[in-house]
Parts: sequence; structure tokens; C-alpha cells
Amino acid sequence: AQSVTQLGSHVSVSEGALVLLRCNYSSSVPPYLFWYVQYPNQGLQLLLKYTTGATLVKGINGFEAEFKKSETSFHLTKPSAHMSDAAEYFCAVSDRAGGGNKLTFGTGTQLKVEL
Amino acid sequence: SQTIHQWPATLVQPVGSPLSLECTVEGTSNPNLYWYRQAAGRGLQLLFYSVGIGQISSEVPQNLSASRPQDRQFILSSKKLLLSDSGFYLCAWRGRGGTGELFFGEGSRLTVL
Repeated sequence: AQSVTQLGSHVSVSEGALVLLRCNYSSSVPPYLFWYVQYPNQGLQLLLKYTTGATLVKGINGFEAEFKKSETSFHLTKPSAHMSDAAEYFCAVSDRAGGGNKLTFGTGTQLKVEL
Repeated sequence: SQTIHQWPATLVQPVGSPLSLECTVEGTSNPNLYWYRQAAGRGLQLLFYSVGIGQISSEVPQNLSASRPQDRQFILSSKKLLLSDSGFYLCAWRGRGGTGELFFGEGSRLTVL
């Protein structure tokens, strides 16, 4: 069974500071990994994904994440936070075998950006 | 391009009343379809998914049900709502094969009073 742990349900950063949102996963097979962002009262939007190849993946809005197999981690980073980054972020894992039928999501991290 | 539509966007219903949330996908065929619920502080809970017309897999026992009467239509229903059914319901789809990412609708906010 797969699982995702997001450390820190709330993260607060100053505008212009580094954003680091942590995600660790558990999977019995090589996973596909995803980060989604959700703005209030909206659906989830895909930020980036890791499937195969380069372990550092870049996404929209200046975010990137690095797949570290030895640490079973897929942390999300952005060098400089902007007020518009305030949202909830979800990490998710999919069983790679056959593409999988389901995504397992973490419980989310609410990012607050302060002036 | 593919789009997904969910409605209604907001719904306030009394306890014991029925529910019907509808989701349709355009621009693709034979998608996998999903219903998730998001309750305050509890992340995303997969309720149902479907890999084809009439094929429904239930993830959590509850008083909700799902149906897929057409290839790109997914309906979430209840005969009698409970207070605990309140939440934000999200429909999602993914294509066949690929790398498993889901594409979400805008969500339906249900408040049961």
C-alpha cells in the first residue's frame, strides 16, 4: 500500500524567502510523484510531476521538486516566495505499475506568505 | 483540449434530503473518473472511481453512491444526507495509460444543515 506524509500542516514564510514543503512517500514499487496546488474554493491544479529520468523536476510558477529515492522524499521548493503562492499544497503518489488507477494524497500543507 | 465541469458549485441541503452532483468531461474518451471529498483539515478522501461505463469501485463505505451512465459522465448521489456528508467534493479524470496524474474540476461545496 502506498502512503504520503507531508510534514507540517501549516508553513509560514516571508515574501522573497525560500519555500520548502516536505513530502515523504511509501511505495512498494517505483512511484510516480506529484505536487498539486489548491487555491480557496477551487479544484487542484497540477504543479509538477516525477515519472522517470531527471530527478529534479521543474513545474509552473517557479516551483521545483527533487526525487530522492534513498530518502523516499519529494520535497517542493521555490527560491523566492510571492504573495500569490499562498495556497494549500498536496503531494501525491501513484502506483507506477500500469500507470495505476488511484492517486494517494498527503493531508496537505497550507502555505502562508507574509510581507 | 480537455475540460471537466462540475455542478452545482454550491449546495445547501437539509439532513435527510437527496443529493445529486454531476461531473462531465469533454475532449477525451474512455477516461478514468473519480470522486474525492475534502473535509476541513482532513485532506482528500477518494470516494469512488470508475474505469468504464457502469463500472464503479467504492473506496469507503458510506451512504453515498456513484454512477456512470455515459462514458464521460459521473454522478455522485445520496438518498438521505447526513450532517457528516458536508464537505468539498471534487471530480477528477485521467486518461488511459500515461503517468497517472489527475485533472480536477472546480469542486462542489455541500453544506448539510
